[in-house]
Amino acid sequence: SQELEQSPQSLIVQEGKNLTINCTSSKTLYGLYWYKQKYGEGLIFLMMLQKGGEEKSHEKITAKLDEKKQQSSLHITASQPSHAGIYLCGADTDSNYQLIWGAGTKLIIKP
Amino acid sequence: GAGVSQSPSNKVTEKGKDVELRCDPISGHTALYWYRQSLGQGLEFLIYFQGNSAPDKSGLPSDRFSAERTGGSVSTLTIQRTQQEDSAVYLCASSLASGYSPGTDTQYFGPGTRLTVL
Repeated sequence: SQELEQSPQSLIVQEGKNLTINCTSSKTLYGLYWYKQKYGEGLIFLMMLQKGGEEKSHEKITAKLDEKKQQSSLHITASQPSHAGIYLCGADTDSNYQLIWGAGTKLIIKP
Repeated sequence: GAGVSQSPSNKVTEKGKDVELRCDPISGHTALYWYRQSLGQGLEFLIYFQGNSAPDKSGLPSDRFSAERTGGSVSTLTIQRTQQEDSAVYLCASSLASGYSPGTDTQYFGPGTRLTVL
């Protein structure tokens, strides 16, 4: 099994609805990064969470880090077409420069 | 300021040919990473450069893959004698520094080079 599991693998959501994506690590999390990727583009940095139960928001996207569960959740409120894309999480599990990466969650927003 | 740039954006090559992929990191960023992303997969770490230190090549899948970084800035990833399994998107990222400092460790990615080996 992967060291960093993302769920769900894909998600189809009606525009305006809320959604949550999860990223679960088999190792201790020292930092967790969320990125968004659109076809033909690189990864766009969304936010970074450090150890300690941190929560951050950017526009309608909120991410939380639950260190006990070794999990981060990314929540989108009132989804819009612009939220469509692939969301990837990257985790620092060794306090060094190498991150481990989830396989991504593909989000489709239905108009 | 300018972000990470990569060229070419797309590369189609024949099996057995050599290819060079280029990455221009954000000015001032000392750390540079190369990743490979296959369809439906996460990111596969290839190689890491930090300043003048010896690069971490632990992710390179075979000796057909090599990379260099000249003058601490531009990097070139070379794949010799390409194989069909090399087909993927190759992503480059840079960060301000490295070490345990999450704020400066944030990696900023280029748009990638989509490599297709026929």
